[in-house]
Amino acid sequence: AQTVTQSQPEMSVQEAETVTLSCTYDTSENNYYLFWYKQPPSRQMILVIRQEAYKQQNATENRFSVNFQKAAKSFSLKISDSQLGDTAMYFCAFYPGNQFYFGTGTSLTVIP
Amino acid sequence: DAMVIQNPRYQVTQFGKPVTLSCSQTLNHNVMYWYQQKSSQAPKLLFHYYDKDFNNEADTPDNFQSRRPNTSFCFLDIRSPGLGDAAMYLCATSREQGRAHEQYFGPGTRLTVT
Repeated sequence: AQTVTQSQPEMSVQEAETVTLSCTYDTSENNYYLFWYKQPPSRQMILVIRQEAYKQQNATENRFSVNFQKAAKSFSLKISDSQLGDTAMYFCAFYPGNQFYFGTGTSLTVIP
Repeated sequence: DAMVIQNPRYQVTQFGKPVTLSCSQTLNHNVMYWYQQKSSQAPKLLFHYYDKDFNNEADTPDNFQSRRPNTSFCFLDIRSPGLGDAAMYLCATSREQGRAHEQYFGPGTRLTVT
């Protein structure tokens, strides 16, 4: 069975600081994709960053980067220089090729 | 530029009264998905269409049906809503199936059952 676990239901960070959201997953697949999606309050879910499992290099998108540890099945998201607009629910998602499996989300609040 | 549009954004229905939620896309994507998301829970896939091929998840209740009359539109029909069906319903699309293709989400329809 494929499962995705986000152990931090809520987090907060001061504006301009760095925060790391954790995600672990369980699978027997060897080839898959991992995603972080952001869902701002009352707005639609959008893709933040994507990581291919066969790539050792961690993905980076501007202030967002991941720490992908395949052996540990860990996929954390680091947000640098946090901005007020980063306040949102963040979902980690695992995609082995047939369907997406989502974690329960982490609610991040950026404090001015 | 709206890409995945869901109407209505908020829907109230009565217990047992059929309701239809709609989704449209301007991306010309082949795959469309319906998810159910309850409070503080992960989105749960109900079904998806690859073009006109319908794929139902094994644990999706029979109460839920879907239609995709053309590439742009997809509907979620709930035949006899129960209180437990109150949730956010998310529509998503992807260009193709496969590992490289991200999903694009609509804003969701929040369904209330009274």
